[in-house]
Amino acid sequence: EVQLVESGGGLVQPGGSLRLSCAVSGFSFSRYAMSWVRQAPGKGLEWVSLSSGSGGSPYYPDSVKGRFTISRDNSKNTLHLQMNSLRVEDTAVYYCAREFIGFDYWGQGTLVTVSS
Amino acid sequence: DIVMTQSPESLAVSLGERATVNCKSSQSVLNSSNNKNYLAWYQQKPGQPVKLLIYWASIRESGVPDRFSGSGSGTDFTLTISSLQAEDVAVYYCQQYYSTPYTFGQGTKLEIK
Repeated sequence: EVQLVESGGGLVQPGGSLRLSCAVSGFSFSRYAMSWVRQAPGKGLEWVSLSSGSGGSPYYPDSVKGRFTISRDNSKNTLHLQMNSLRVEDTAVYYCAREFIGFDYWGQGTLVTVSS
Repeated sequence: DIVMTQSPESLAVSLGERATVNCKSSQSVLNSSNNKNYLAWYQQKPGQPVKLLIYWASIRESGVPDRFSGSGSGTDFTLTISSLQAEDVAVYYCQQYYSTPYTFGQGTKLEIK
């Protein structure tokens, strides 16, 4: 059974940092690209980063480029998102998702709240 | 960036009736080299992981009931639920995976009339 479990969310002040993790099981992690997708309270879905199976050539939208870094540890089946210089508008539930054709598996998400 | 626009924003349909959600992309998501539309549909219910329903614009994901269907090509797409069931109450999103940044529609909230 495929499982994706996010962790690491919490309350952080503007300008602060947070590192999210996504532990995966049930499939060969290194063979798949993975993404982070976020959802602000009451809003829609926004893609925020993509990692290839090897971890090379990450992609980011302009909204987080230079502040967020996606990485992965294929030996531990874990995906990470390092978030720096956090802003109030980064407040959201952050989901990790497996990319195959579209995003075929999603986690339950972890809530990040940026507030003073 | 490719902008995805869904309509309507909300929809109320009677049980057993047809529900239709539209999605328009600001540029074509059809790859002429393989004739595939890089368009997916998702369902989001409270407390549950987001679920992939349709990919390549019209291919149903394994396990998705056949009352769900996708159609369209280029820039205009439709998700149809042929006979609405109570468990279909959810928010539905389209998404293009033709190019980064991947983008989603704003969502359509489907309710029972």
